[in-house]
Amino acid sequence: EAEVAQSPRYKITEKSQAVAFWCDPISGHATLYWYRQILGQGPELLVQFQDESVVDDSQLPKDRFSAERLKGVDSTLKIQPAELGDSAMYLCASSRAPITSTDTQYFGPGTRLTVL
Amino acid sequence: DQQVKQNSPSLSVQEGRISILNCDYTNSMFDYFLWYKKYPAEGPTFLISISSIKDKNEDGRFTVFLNKSAKHLSLHIVPSQPGDSAVYFCAASGGGGADGLTFGKGTHLIIQP
Repeated sequence: EAEVAQSPRYKITEKSQAVAFWCDPISGHATLYWYRQILGQGPELLVQFQDESVVDDSQLPKDRFSAERLKGVDSTLKIQPAELGDSAMYLCASSRAPITSTDTQYFGPGTRLTVL
Repeated sequence: DQQVKQNSPSLSVQEGRISILNCDYTNSMFDYFLWYKKYPAEGPTFLISISSIKDKNEDGRFTVFLNKSAKHLSLHIVPSQPGDSAVYFCAASGGGGADGLTFGKGTHLIIQP
């Protein structure tokens, strides 16, 4: 069964350093999402891509976060500089269809970020 | 302002009995609802979904019920098994035209032997 791949699984960094996370969606999935999950909360959408284009980045803290999906396949989420409050699980998800409200999103295993 | 609410942080159920997890939403634009199961240090795993044109969807031991007038949905697990112990998230999409999911805070289901 195809899965969403993410790396690294765990990342420890010091504040003010730069970090990057990578996601490879299920093959053929046009839509890719990055979510952040703080302990004790549900995941919150950071950014949504349709192929290589950003569809929604309204919740992305653009002063320090950036995301790209240059060839419309895999994606990178970057934080620079990292802050203590960025410690969280970063989840990537993908879905098959273009913008639609009735398709299932499949999640990767996530990257656990700890900022010291 | 939470648009998806799971008011029970935890639920304990005896093995073999029915588990009922509840979820309320406030955004009338939501038209697709999903339940995910999550183990610690793993990503959410899709369980079951329901479109707003239906009021029930069943898949094996899992059934989701949707009451649109009450803006309420529930997940029933029958019979409950030890492997069902996990955090369950209710999620919704459709609000505003984008299909990013809005999640509740989750309910920790504990199945007791």
